[in-house]
Amino acid sequence: GNSVTQMEGPVTLSEEAFLTINCTYTATGYPSLFWYVQYPGEGLQLLLKATKADDKGSNKGFEATYRKETTSFHLEKGSVQVSDSAVYFCALTYSGGSNYKLTFGKGTLLTVNP
Amino acid sequence: NAGVTQTPKFQVLKTGQSMTLQCAQDMNHEYMSWYRQDPGMGLRLIHYSVGAGITDQGEVPNGYNVSRSTTEDFPLRLLSAAPSQTSVYFCASTTVRSGGSSYNEQFFGPGTRLTVL
Repeated sequence: GNSVTQMEGPVTLSEEAFLTINCTYTATGYPSLFWYVQYPGEGLQLLLKATKADDKGSNKGFEATYRKETTSFHLEKGSVQVSDSAVYFCALTYSGGSNYKLTFGKGTLLTVNP
Repeated sequence: NAGVTQTPKFQVLKTGQSMTLQCAQDMNHEYMSWYRQDPGMGLRLIHYSVGAGITDQGEVPNGYNVSRSTTEDFPLRLLSAAPSQTSVYFCASTTVRSGGSSYNEQFFGPGTRLTVL
């Protein structure tokens, strides 16, 4: 079945540091890949997405590239801010039929200190 | 648009009690789902529905019932609460498109934090 593995947290960085959160996946067919963000006390929000190989998703300074050869979708940001402190979830949907069911990784807690 | 709303925000139950978690959306989405979020486990799918009158089980359905009588509402019922059901519950909705590589953004509610004593 489909699965998502993302790096264990927590991750603690200083403001303006570079961020990478690794995500790899196992899926049949051609999944769509996503990063969701959960700010404290809130629900999940879509951060960015990529629907086919070599696509780059980007939003709010975050980027991730869909790498089919390495089955990866790593999240990066060049300079994090305190306001980026949140839990980040990598997720996929299988586009071969039930393309609305999300499979999530376990989440990575990011804390950014001033 | 209110988006996806959930009530209550917080709930404490005793073992064996029953309750219903409410979820509603005003975006005319066909697909609605319930997830539970537990520390170190990410979000796991409990039940989902692709339209009024149609429901199906997700990854962790035991102990939960759902029904979908309208497009807007998708309540989750705990018939006899157990401490293992202590969790944060999220409802989500999206449109349903067939095939291709298109993606439909899922919109999440703010969550219900449930504690079973």
